[in-house]
Amino acid sequence: EIVLTQSPGTLSLSPGERATLSCRASQSVSSSYLAWYQQKPGQAPRLLIYAASSRATGIPDRFSGSGSGTDFTLTISRMEAEDFAVYYCQQYGSSPEYTFGQGTKLEIK
Amino acid sequence: EVQLVQSGAEVKKPGESLKISCKGSGYSFTSYWIGWVRQMPGKGLEWMGIIYPGDSDTRYSPSFQGQVTISADKSISTAYLQWSSLRASDTAMYYCARHPKFSSGFRYFDYWGQGTLVTVSS
Repeated sequence: EIVLTQSPGTLSLSPGERATLSCRASQSVSSSYLAWYQQKPGQAPRLLIYAASSRATGIPDRFSGSGSGTDFTLTISRMEAEDFAVYYCQQYGSSPEYTFGQGTKLEIK
Repeated sequence: EVQLVQSGAEVKKPGESLKISCKGSGYSFTSYWIGWVRQMPGKGLEWMGIIYPGDSDTRYSPSFQGQVTISADKSISTAYLQWSSLRASDTAMYYCARHPKFSSGFRYFDYWGQGTLVTVSS
C-alpha cells in the first residue's frame, strides 16, 4: 500500500503570503495519478490539480502543482481569504487503488 | 452543468440495512466511473470503491470489500452504496464522485456529490 504523508499538518499564514504544501509518497507514484483537493468546512472536496500539475476547470492560476516520483508540492502563490481550508493529495496505485494523504490545514495567522 | 445529487441524511440503528444514492446529470452517466469516499467525523478521506455504470465493473478497497456493496442503475443515472448490517463505526459522511475513464490515463475525482451523512446509533 502506498502511504501519502502530507506536511505540515497545519500551516498558519496571512492573506497575501505564499503557501507551500508537501505530499510525500512511500513509493514512486506516476505523475498522471497524483491529484490535489481542497475541502472547506461543511463542503465536499473540490478538485484543484490533477496529473500533478494540471489545473482543474475553473481553478485560479495562483494554484500550481509540481513534483514527481515520491515528492509532490501544491503551491498557492498568494493566499486569499477563500483559500483557508484543508488540502488533500490523492494517488492511484496498487491496492488499495486510491489513497489520500491525511490533509494539511491552512489557517489564518 | 455536471451534477451529482446524493440522497438525504439517514439515522439508523446498528444491524439495520441502508442504501444511499447518487444521481448524475449533465453528462453521459455511462461514460465515467463513480467512486465512493468515506469521511468519518473530523477525519480525512478514505476511498471505498468505484463502479463503471456502463458495464457495472466494480472495484473495492480491501478495507471495504465485503462490508458494502456498490451498484448502479444506468437507466436512471444513479449509483448506490449499501450496507446489509450497519455498525456504529459506519457513522460518517459519504461522498460520491465522478472519475474519468481509465483510458484517459488519469486518475482523479472531478465532480463530487454534496455528501450523505449516515448516523448509526442505538
